[in-house]
Amino acid sequence: GGIITQTPKFLIGQEGQKLTLKCQQNFNHDTMYWYRQDSGKGLRLIYYSITENDLQKGDLSEGYDASREKKSSFSLTVTSAQKNEMAVFLCASGLGSNTGQLYFGEGSKLTVL
Amino acid sequence: LAKTTQPPSMEAYEGQEVNVSCSHTNIATSEYIYWYRQVPHQGPQFIIQGYKDYVVNEVASLFISADRKLSTLSLPWVSLRDAAVYYCIVTDMWDSNYQLIWGSGTKLIIKP
Repeated sequence: GGIITQTPKFLIGQEGQKLTLKCQQNFNHDTMYWYRQDSGKGLRLIYYSITENDLQKGDLSEGYDASREKKSSFSLTVTSAQKNEMAVFLCASGLGSNTGQLYFGEGSKLTVL
Repeated sequence: LAKTTQPPSMEAYEGQEVNVSCSHTNIATSEYIYWYRQVPHQGPQFIIQGYKDYVVNEVASLFISADRKLSTLSLPWVSLRDAAVYYCIVTDMWDSNYQLIWGSGTKLIIKP
């Protein structure tokens, strides 16, 4: 089996700060995703990538950048943290771009002071 | 906008069989149905997928109505570990711009 590792698990930042979340997977999956989950809500897609160096915007991409420099890793940057940014960010991977079966990390909780 | 409608919450006692329903009245012929569950402080975990009729695995069963507008996830003999939010998702795997649309799910509360 494989695993998805997200770092850090908890991230505290100041309003206006640039913050980066990292995700690593050892499934050898082609596609990786970043989702945001607000408390008590479903997941919303920020960015996804179907292969190394590919980036596709989701519905929530404004205010975020992403980077897929290697097949196994996918980073998400909050370009300027806002107080309403407080949420859990979830990374996932899937075997291809047309699969509904995704594997998720445990999440990174962002708090903005 | 989610393509599915689920009850916001359900309660059950340990040992009961639980059926979580999901309505997808506008499901297209190219769309499949996926179920995930999410326990607190973890990411969602895939449970089962189906297109029509009946699918079973070691964790759950999935019943899909003949017109495919309704699916029911069946969890036999639930325990406290099954307390989670259950998400039903419908997606078109052949749409190049596809993405999974997540609703708010069904929160399953297990009473001892």
